[in-house]
Amino acid sequence: NAGVTQTPKFQVLKTGQSMTLQCAQDMNHEYMSWYRQDPGMGLRLIHYSVGAGITDQGEVPNGYNVSRSTTEDFPLRLLSAAPSQTSVYFCASRRGHNYEQYFGPGTRLTVT
Amino acid sequence: QKEVEQDPGPLSVPEGAIVSLNCTYSNSAFQYFMWYRQYSRKGPELLMYTYSSGNKEDGRFTAQVDKSSKYISLFIRDSQPSDSATYLCAMRTNTGNQFYFGTGTSLTVIP
Repeated sequence: NAGVTQTPKFQVLKTGQSMTLQCAQDMNHEYMSWYRQDPGMGLRLIHYSVGAGITDQGEVPNGYNVSRSTTEDFPLRLLSAAPSQTSVYFCASRRGHNYEQYFGPGTRLTVT
Repeated sequence: QKEVEQDPGPLSVPEGAIVSLNCTYSNSAFQYFMWYRQYSRKGPELLMYTYSSGNKEDGRFTAQVDKSSKYISLFIRDSQPSDSATYLCAMRTNTGNQFYFGTGTSLTVIP
């Protein structure tokens, strides 16, 4: 199993541009989540999904969209990038509600 | 007040030392407790996953949960230079889908 994979590893955007961060898992996990990690702030939940077709907002959802059309994939869309969205983004998945959560390698995003 | 508090360190110890890492929390409804290790520029890697109170041991790692004090600990015995990383605690309630993370403690083990 490849586990949780994320692409791209690095990205630089200009303010106002849009892009999609990709996340895929091959473990048949029901739950998937997106986090951002900023210095001194810890990991903060952006959006999560408890199954295909079901998504919900986390702690910091503004400026981000998600959809989940398949079990394997959970893309994160930045609609109009802002410098405040400069961060490291992690995707995570878990088998079900009471199971442990596994993280991908992350995407480093810089918005200028 | 943050849901989860963790001393950021940095913590520096000699090889072979016992390391103690801690987190405190404010929400008495937290039931699931986790410790992650994160190497520089990598994703968090799950080390320990415990439910409710008590101890759990896995090799050189021991996780302790004291729900009466709202305090969790991770002990690393016979620390190695390869243990040098940032350690994150995380927790959640029985029913909630959100995990609450500490900000991480940076550990360096000196050979």
